[in-house]
Amino acid sequence: DQQVKQNSPSLSVQEGRISILNCDYTNSMFDYFLWYKKYPAEGPTFLISISSIKDKNEDGRFTVFLNKSAKHLSLHIVPSQPGDSAVYFCAASERGDSWGKFQFGAGTQVVVTP
Amino acid sequence: NAGVTQTPKFQVLKTGQSMTLQCAQDMNHEYMSWYRQDPGMGLRLIHYSVGAGITDQGEVPNGYNVSRSTTEDFPLRLLSAAPSQTSVYFCASSYDPFQETQYFGPGTRLLVL
Repeated sequence: DQQVKQNSPSLSVQEGRISILNCDYTNSMFDYFLWYKKYPAEGPTFLISISSIKDKNEDGRFTVFLNKSAKHLSLHIVPSQPGDSAVYFCAASERGDSWGKFQFGAGTQVVVTP
Repeated sequence: NAGVTQTPKFQVLKTGQSMTLQCAQDMNHEYMSWYRQDPGMGLRLIHYSVGAGITDQGEVPNGYNVSRSTTEDFPLRLLSAAPSQTSVYFCASSYDPFQETQYFGPGTRLLVL
């Protein structure tokens, strides 16, 4: 049973606009969350993280929001650029786990159009 | 640095055949892992290693073996391939246990007929 769900398999957004990617989780013990970005024929690369002691983390154009009561996190990309076209995975873990055993969502394909 | 390298890039196997997916890293990372990615599912951890000589099972270990005789290499063995093992396999390494520092290889696409 998937404990991390990304219910939107794809998202199309115009260049310059905001991209909002959503992720829901079911395990209330998760306290550390990541977003990864993946281009075709490449491995995922780390994008941004957030721990449960925060509700927001920002890195340049990327901001992750965490709503613990709703077990929901979102990634905002502002402004979206053509190079942001990729698959984005969210992942969650209990940070005290024996070794970063993250549960991944199925991914959201983002396409940024001119 | 080459980072994390995986070979082959693509492989077709018949049911029952065996093969080894190779993974190597030149960053002197202690932690290495293997994931599989299937359509509609996220990355799932198969096996991982916290150092040479130490391996452990992840979420979906059945049908796969690993060993870690050196820090650099972490091969994944399929002893008797099954169509359910058709997937994209990613190897990753990191210098500490936190996922955000993992570096992924480019992946091996495996098709089992």
